[in-house]
Amino acid sequence: AQSVTQPDIHITVSEGASLELRCNYSYGATPYLFWYVQSPGQGLQLLLKYFSGDTLVQGIKGFEAEFKRSQSSFNLRKPSVHWSDAAEYFCAVGAVRGGADGLTFGKGTHLIIQP
Amino acid sequence: SQTIHQWPATLVQPVGSPLSLECTVEGTSNPNLYWYRQAAGRGLQLLFYSVGIGQISSEVPQNLSASRPQDRQFILSSKKLLLSDSGFYLCAWSRGLQYEQYFGPGTRLTVT
Repeated sequence: AQSVTQPDIHITVSEGASLELRCNYSYGATPYLFWYVQSPGQGLQLLLKYFSGDTLVQGIKGFEAEFKRSQSSFNLRKPSVHWSDAAEYFCAVGAVRGGADGLTFGKGTHLIIQP
Repeated sequence: SQTIHQWPATLVQPVGSPLSLECTVEGTSNPNLYWYRQAAGRGLQLLFYSVGIGQISSEVPQNLSASRPQDRQFILSSKKLLLSDSGFYLCAWSRGLQYEQYFGPGTRLTVT
């Protein structure tokens, strides 16, 4: 069974600083990988996805993520954060295993932006 | 384009009362549908998913049930709510089990 680990429960970053959110997965084959963002009281919004090909994927809102097979990681990055980026971020892995239940989500990382 | 709706947006119900939350998807056919619960400060818990009309898979034993009476309609129900049923309920759809899911705006349920 696949699993996802987001090691950081909370991260605090100053506005304008760079950001990296960590995500590690466990899966026996090449996974499908996703990052979502959730603002308080709202649903999840897809930031970006990786299926195959170029290991550096670009998403919405200036985010990017890099798939590193050797490290089983899919870290999310942004060069310069804005106060509006404060939210909960979820990493997810998708894998079909004969009637599987879809995506497996990490427990999330809460991003706090300091002025 | 595809759109996913959930209602109601918020709900306050007494313990022991019934529950019905509705989710509908527009702009796609034969979607996979999902119900998640998100307790305060916690991650997503998958409750049910459906790959077709009348096909429901339960991930967590509880007093909740789900039904899919139409291709793009997914309903979450309970005959008697518990305090522990409080939370944020999210519906999502996808075009396949391994693909990205698109989430609705959620329903905030408070059981008193």
